Amino acid sequence: EAGVAQSPRYKIIEKRQSVAFWCNPISGHATLYWYQQILGQGPKLLIQFQNNGVVDDSQLPKDRFSAERLKGVDSTLKIQPAKLEDSAVYLCASSPAGAGANVLTFGAGSRLTVL
Amino acid sequence: TQLLEQSPQFLSIQEGENLTVYCNSSSVFSSLQWYRQEPGEGPVLLVTVVTGGEVKKLKRLTFQFGDARKDSSLHITAAQPGDTGLYLCAGTYTGSARQLTFGSGTQLTVLP
Repeated sequence: EAGVAQSPRYKIIEKRQSVAFWCNPISGHATLYWYQQILGQGPKLLIQFQNNGVVDDSQLPKDRFSAERLKGVDSTLKIQPAKLEDSAVYLCASSPAGAGANVLTFGAGSRLTVL
Repeated sequence: TQLLEQSPQFLSIQEGENLTVYCNSSSVFSSLQWYRQEPGEGPVLLVTVVTGGEVKKLKRLTFQFGDARKDSSLHITAAQPGDTGLYLCAGTYTGSARQLTFGSGTQLTVLP
């Protein structure tokens, strides 16, 4: 079974620039999550999709962050404009519906450095 | 915002030693998970516990869920260098609609 794919793995940008991250979840997984992990901290949920609908985006800084999952499969997370404090690893995870809904599989992450 | 505290933050031990890491909250979990994360990778699920007092074993790892479902511990017996990594606990709180809240992790280094 293929895992959760994320790209790019690394991105370096200057503040005020924009960046986009892409995630392809495990085939058939209904729920997709974007987490932000700042160095030395645990992952923080940014947004959770169930199919192509948003379940929770309460911690997403909506003035600069946006995410979409148009066809209920892959997803894009965008930051515009980036700030220094956005430097972090952005982790995508997916989980199936039903009994396995709390079993999250994470991708390797996209490491963002904002200069 | 629910807070999930892990201790210790850092732990460095010699191969063969035993260790315990802790995860605590003031709120009740409906379920709790432990993950291990290696550098450059995403967290990998080790175990899920749902019942107060539950104990689960995974080879040399023993996971315990507190009776009141507010705390958990991970005990590693005879640690090996391959156990090195960031250990994260993550809980789903009662009434949180399955949102998973992570602790800040325990960075374990096992020296050969």
